[in-house]
Amino acid sequence: GNSVTQMEGPVTLSEEAFLTINCTYTATGYPSLFWYVQYPGEGLQLLLKATKADDKGSNKGFEATYRKETTSFHLEKGSVQVSDSAVYFCALSDRGNQGGKLIFGQGTELSVKP
Amino acid sequence: NAGVMQNPRHLVRRRGQEARLRCSPMKGHSHVYWYRQLPEEGLKFMVYLQKENIIDESGMPKERFSAEFPKEGPSILRIQQVVRGDSAAYFCASSLRGQNTEAFFGQGTRLTVV
Repeated sequence: GNSVTQMEGPVTLSEEAFLTINCTYTATGYPSLFWYVQYPGEGLQLLLKATKADDKGSNKGFEATYRKETTSFHLEKGSVQVSDSAVYFCALSDRGNQGGKLIFGQGTELSVKP
Repeated sequence: NAGVMQNPRHLVRRRGQEARLRCSPMKGHSHVYWYRQLPEEGLKFMVYLQKENIIDESGMPKERFSAEFPKEGPSILRIQQVVRGDSAAYFCASSLRGQNTEAFFGQGTRLTVV
Protein backbone atom coordinates (compact mmCIF):
# COMPACT_ATOMS: atom_id res chain seq x y z
CA GLY A 1 0.00 0.00 0.00
CA ASN A 2 0.90 3.65 -0.12
CA SER A 3 3.31 4.97 2.51
CA VAL A 4 5.47 7.94 3.42
CA THR A 5 8.83 7.84 5.18
CA GLN A 6 10.49 10.89 6.71
CA MET A 7 13.86 11.37 8.28
CA GLU A 8 13.77 11.00 12.02
CA GLY A 9 14.01 13.96 14.30
CA PRO A 10 14.54 15.94 16.27
CA VAL A 11 16.56 18.21 14.04
CA THR A 12 18.31 21.05 15.83
CA LEU A 13 19.73 23.95 13.86
CA SER A 14 21.09 27.39 14.53
CA GLU A 15 19.27 30.40 13.15
CA GLU A 16 20.09 31.08 9.47
CA ALA A 17 21.26 27.50 8.87
CA PHE A 18 20.17 25.52 5.80
CA LEU A 19 17.38 23.01 6.34
CA THR A 20 16.67 19.74 4.58
CA ILE A 21 14.05 17.26 5.76
CA ASN A 22 13.99 14.13 3.66
CA CYS A 23 10.75 12.51 2.54
CA THR A 24 10.29 9.49 0.31
CA TYR A 25 7.08 7.80 -0.67
CA THR A 26 5.66 4.58 -2.05
CA ALA A 27 2.53 4.88 -4.13
CA THR A 28 0.72 3.48 -7.09
CA GLY A 29 -0.37 5.90 -9.73
CA TYR A 30 0.33 9.61 -9.47
CA PRO A 31 -0.19 10.93 -5.96
CA SER A 32 -0.25 14.55 -4.89
CA LEU A 33 2.39 15.41 -2.30
CA PHE A 34 2.18 17.80 0.63
CA TRP A 35 4.13 19.27 3.49
CA TYR A 36 2.18 20.24 6.60
CA VAL A 37 3.49 22.11 9.63
CA GLN A 38 2.25 21.74 13.19
CA TYR A 39 3.17 24.43 15.70
CA PRO A 40 3.02 23.54 19.40
CA GLY A 41 -0.53 22.95 20.60
CA GLU A 42 -2.06 23.61 17.21
CA GLY A 43 -3.49 21.72 14.28
CA LEU A 44 -1.82 21.13 10.96
CA GLN A 45 -1.41 23.85 8.40
CA LEU A 46 -0.68 23.20 4.78
CA LEU A 47 2.79 24.53 4.00
CA LEU A 48 3.13 23.61 0.33
CA LYS A 49 2.08 21.03 -2.21
CA ALA A 50 2.87 19.58 -5.63
CA THR A 51 0.47 17.66 -7.79
CA LYS A 52 2.64 16.22 -10.55
CA ALA A 53 6.19 15.19 -11.31
CA ASP A 54 8.79 17.99 -11.42
CA ASP A 55 6.39 20.47 -9.82
CA LYS A 56 7.99 22.66 -7.17
CA GLY A 57 5.89 23.77 -4.24
CA SER A 58 7.02 26.84 -2.31
CA ASN A 59 5.81 28.98 0.56
CA LYS A 60 7.39 31.17 3.25
CA GLY A 61 10.89 30.40 1.98
CA PHE A 62 10.31 26.64 2.03
CA GLU A 63 10.55 24.59 -1.16
CA ALA A 64 10.06 20.99 -2.22
CA THR A 65 10.27 19.37 -5.65
CA TYR A 66 8.22 16.34 -6.68
CA ARG A 67 10.82 13.83 -7.94
CA LYS A 68 9.14 10.82 -9.48
CA GLU A 69 12.39 9.09 -10.43
CA THR A 70 13.56 9.03 -6.82
CA THR A 71 10.05 9.02 -5.28
CA SER A 72 11.06 11.92 -3.06
CA PHE A 73 9.70 15.27 -1.89
CA HIS A 74 12.42 16.73 0.31
CA LEU A 75 11.70 19.96 2.17
CA GLU A 76 14.34 22.71 2.05
CA LYS A 77 14.81 26.22 3.36
CA GLY A 78 17.87 28.33 2.84
CA SER A 79 17.87 30.18 6.16
CA VAL A 80 15.74 29.02 9.08
CA GLN A 81 14.38 31.23 11.82
CA VAL A 82 13.48 30.50 15.43
CA SER A 83 9.83 30.85 14.43
CA ASP A 84 10.19 27.83 12.10
CA SER A 85 10.46 25.54 15.13
CA ALA A 86 7.62 23.06 14.68
CA VAL A 87 6.85 19.52 13.57
CA TYR A 88 6.81 18.97 9.82
CA PHE A 89 4.77 16.24 8.17
CA CYS A 90 5.12 14.93 4.65
CA ALA A 91 1.92 13.45 3.19
CA LEU A 92 0.41 12.09 0.02
CA SER A 93 -3.02 11.65 -1.40
CA ASP A 94 -4.09 9.60 -4.36
CA ARG A 95 -4.32 12.09 -7.16
CA GLY A 96 -7.87 13.04 -7.86
CA ASN A 97 -9.22 10.84 -5.15
CA GLN A 98 -10.48 11.83 -1.73
CA GLY A 99 -8.59 15.06 -1.32
CA GLY A 100 -8.75 15.00 2.45
CA LYS A 101 -7.72 11.37 2.84
CA LEU A 102 -4.02 11.69 3.38
CA ILE A 103 -1.23 9.32 4.29
CA PHE A 104 1.26 10.99 6.62
CA GLY A 105 4.84 10.36 7.52
CA GLN A 106 5.72 10.16 11.19
CA GLY A 107 6.73 13.81 11.41
CA THR A 108 10.08 15.52 11.94
CA GLU A 109 10.52 17.90 14.82
CA LEU A 110 12.61 20.97 14.03
CA SER A 111 14.13 23.10 16.74
CA VAL A 112 15.89 26.32 15.74
CA LYS A 113 18.14 27.98 18.31
CA PRO A 114 18.98 31.69 18.27
CA ASN B 1 -14.62 32.90 8.00
CA ALA B 2 -13.96 30.63 10.93
CA GLY B 3 -11.75 27.63 10.39
CA VAL B 4 -12.45 24.08 11.41
CA MET B 5 -13.60 24.11 15.02
CA GLN B 6 -13.09 21.19 17.32
CA ASN B 7 -14.26 20.84 20.88
CA PRO B 8 -13.38 20.21 23.48
CA ARG B 9 -9.68 20.95 23.11
CA HIS B 10 -8.85 18.67 26.02
CA LEU B 11 -10.93 15.79 27.33
CA VAL B 12 -10.20 13.53 30.27
CA ARG B 13 -12.15 10.31 30.67
CA ARG B 14 -11.88 7.39 33.05
CA ARG B 15 -11.55 3.92 31.63
CA GLY B 16 -14.93 2.58 30.58
CA GLN B 17 -16.53 5.98 29.98
CA GLU B 18 -17.65 7.38 26.66
CA ALA B 19 -15.84 10.16 24.79
CA ARG B 20 -17.60 12.43 22.31
CA LEU B 21 -15.49 14.66 20.08
CA ARG B 22 -17.08 17.35 17.95
CA CYS B 23 -16.00 18.92 14.71
CA SER B 24 -17.62 21.84 12.92
CA PRO B 25 -16.24 22.09 9.38
CA MET B 26 -15.42 25.31 7.62
CA LYS B 27 -18.41 27.15 6.24
CA GLY B 28 -19.58 25.58 3.03
CA HIS B 29 -17.56 22.38 3.50
CA SER B 30 -19.52 19.16 3.39
CA HIS B 31 -16.63 16.68 3.59
CA VAL B 32 -15.11 15.76 6.94
CA TYR B 33 -12.15 13.55 7.81
CA TRP B 34 -11.04 12.28 11.21
CA TYR B 35 -7.44 11.42 12.07
CA ARG B 36 -5.75 10.07 15.18
CA GLN B 37 -2.27 11.00 16.28
CA LEU B 38 -0.70 8.70 18.82
CA PRO B 39 2.29 9.97 20.82
CA GLU B 40 5.46 10.20 18.72
CA GLU B 41 3.59 9.15 15.58
CA GLY B 42 2.13 10.74 12.51
CA LEU B 43 -1.55 11.16 11.83
CA LYS B 44 -3.49 8.09 10.83
CA PHE B 45 -6.67 8.35 8.78
CA MET B 46 -9.76 7.02 10.50
CA VAL B 47 -12.91 7.94 8.59
CA TYR B 48 -14.23 10.13 5.81
CA LEU B 49 -17.79 11.41 5.94
CA GLN B 50 -20.02 13.49 3.77
CA LYS B 51 -23.29 14.89 5.07
CA GLU B 52 -25.28 11.94 6.46
CA ASN B 53 -23.01 9.38 4.78
CA ILE B 54 -19.88 7.47 5.71
CA ILE B 55 -17.74 7.34 2.58
CA ASP B 56 -14.66 5.52 3.85
CA GLU B 57 -14.17 4.03 7.32
CA SER B 58 -11.20 1.87 6.48
CA GLY B 59 -9.13 3.36 9.32
CA MET B 60 -11.70 2.99 12.07
CA PRO B 61 -11.21 0.35 14.75
CA LYS B 62 -13.89 -2.29 14.39
CA GLU B 63 -15.24 -1.92 17.90
CA ARG B 64 -16.14 0.98 20.20
CA PHE B 65 -15.56 3.70 17.61
CA SER B 66 -18.25 5.35 15.52
CA ALA B 67 -18.64 8.57 13.59
CA GLU B 68 -21.49 10.57 12.17
CA PHE B 69 -22.03 13.77 10.26
CA PRO B 70 -25.72 14.66 10.45
CA LYS B 71 -27.56 16.97 8.12
CA GLU B 72 -27.53 19.63 10.80
CA GLY B 73 -24.82 20.14 13.36
CA PRO B 74 -21.23 19.06 13.80
CA SER B 75 -19.59 15.78 13.01
CA ILE B 76 -19.20 13.55 16.07
CA LEU B 77 -16.53 10.95 16.75
CA ARG B 78 -17.72 8.68 19.53
CA ILE B 79 -15.54 6.30 21.49
CA GLN B 80 -17.36 3.94 23.83
CA GLN B 81 -15.79 2.26 26.85
CA VAL B 82 -12.50 4.07 26.46
CA VAL B 83 -9.21 2.38 27.32
CA ARG B 84 -5.78 3.89 28.04
CA GLY B 85 -4.66 3.09 24.49
CA ASP B 86 -7.26 5.53 23.17
CA SER B 87 -5.29 8.43 24.63
CA ALA B 88 -4.24 10.48 21.63
CA ALA B 89 -4.86 13.68 19.73
CA TYR B 90 -7.83 13.47 17.39
CA PHE B 91 -7.86 15.83 14.45
CA CYS B 92 -10.67 16.72 12.14
CA ALA B 93 -10.25 18.15 8.67
CA SER B 94 -12.79 19.45 6.20
CA SER B 95 -12.77 20.12 2.48
CA LEU B 96 -15.04 21.79 -0.02
CA ARG B 97 -15.11 18.83 -2.36
CA GLY B 98 -14.09 15.22 -2.12
CA GLN B 99 -11.48 15.31 -4.87
CA ASN B 100 -8.64 17.60 -5.95
CA THR B 101 -9.20 19.87 -3.03
CA GLU B 102 -7.33 21.10 0.01
CA ALA B 103 -8.20 19.84 3.46
CA PHE B 104 -8.16 22.27 6.38
CA PHE B 105 -7.40 20.95 9.85
CA GLY B 106 -8.79 21.85 13.24
CA GLN B 107 -6.66 22.28 16.34
CA GLY B 108 -7.48 18.83 17.61
CA THR B 109 -8.93 17.28 20.74
CA ARG B 110 -6.44 15.76 23.13
CA LEU B 111 -8.05 12.80 24.85
CA THR B 112 -6.52 11.46 28.01
CA VAL B 113 -7.85 8.25 29.52
CA VAL B 114 -7.03 7.79 33.19
